[in-house]
Amino acid sequence: GENVGLHLPTLSVQEGDNSIINCAYSNSASDYFIWYKQESGKGPQFIIDIRSNMDKRQGQRVTVLLNKTVKHLSLQIAATQPGDSAVYFCAENTEMNRDDKIIFGKGTRLHILP
Amino acid sequence: SAVISQKPSRDICQRGTSLTIQCQVDSQVTMMFWYRQQPGQSLTLIATANQGSEATYESGFVIDKFPISRPNLTFSTLTVSNMSPEDSSIYLCSVEPGGSYGYTFGSGTRLTVV
Repeated sequence: GENVGLHLPTLSVQEGDNSIINCAYSNSASDYFIWYKQESGKGPQFIIDIRSNMDKRQGQRVTVLLNKTVKHLSLQIAATQPGDSAVYFCAENTEMNRDDKIIFGKGTRLHILP
Repeated sequence: SAVISQKPSRDICQRGTSLTIQCQVDSQVTMMFWYRQQPGQSLTLIATANQGSEATYESGFVIDKFPISRPNLTFSTLTVSNMSPEDSSIYLCSVEPGGSYGYTFGSGTRLTVV
C-alpha cells in the first residue's frame, strides 16, 4: 500500500452495517462541501457534495448531512461493502482573496470487518 | 467530469536535485490546484494556478521551492526544487471541471527523496 490513512483515525464497521463518518469544518463562510474517497495508490475520488443552502443530500447508498450551526458534516454509507474500505475526507470550498479553493479535513480510515 | 493525467506516477530522487511533475487535463479549465499529501496524512494545498497569471501560494509554500507553470488551459507543471527527504510525499493536481462533480484529482506522483 501507499500508507494512505496510516496515522488517521479508523472506523471499523461490520460488512452490511451502516457507516457514519463525521467531520468538523473550520470556516463558517464555506458554502460548498465535498466528500472524497481515497483508496490506496489513488487520488481522491468524488463521492457526494452539498451546498450550504441544504442540510441533507442523498446519493446511491450515501447520504451527506450538513449542520451549519455547529460546522459539522457527516457521511452515511448504507449497507457497507468490502469495496468501501478506504480513507474518507471531507473538504470545504472556501473563498480567500477572491479565489475559491478546496481545503481538506483530516480524514477517517474506514475498515470493513467480514 | 474531467480526466487528469499526471506524470510521473512515482519517482525516487537524490537529495539536492529537482523534479518536475506534469498535469494534463482533457478539457479546458480555469483553475488548477496542486496539493501535497505527506505519508498517512490529509491533503494540503500548495498553490492555485490560473492560466495567464502567477500562481498563488498558500502559507508555508514559496515559489522558489515549488515553481509552477501554467502555459495554457489544459496543462500545468509543479517543480519540487532542491529536494530533501522531507519532500517525500504524494503530489496531486486537481481541477474544477464545473458541474456537480466536485473537484477532480489526478492519481498523484509518489516522490521519494533519498
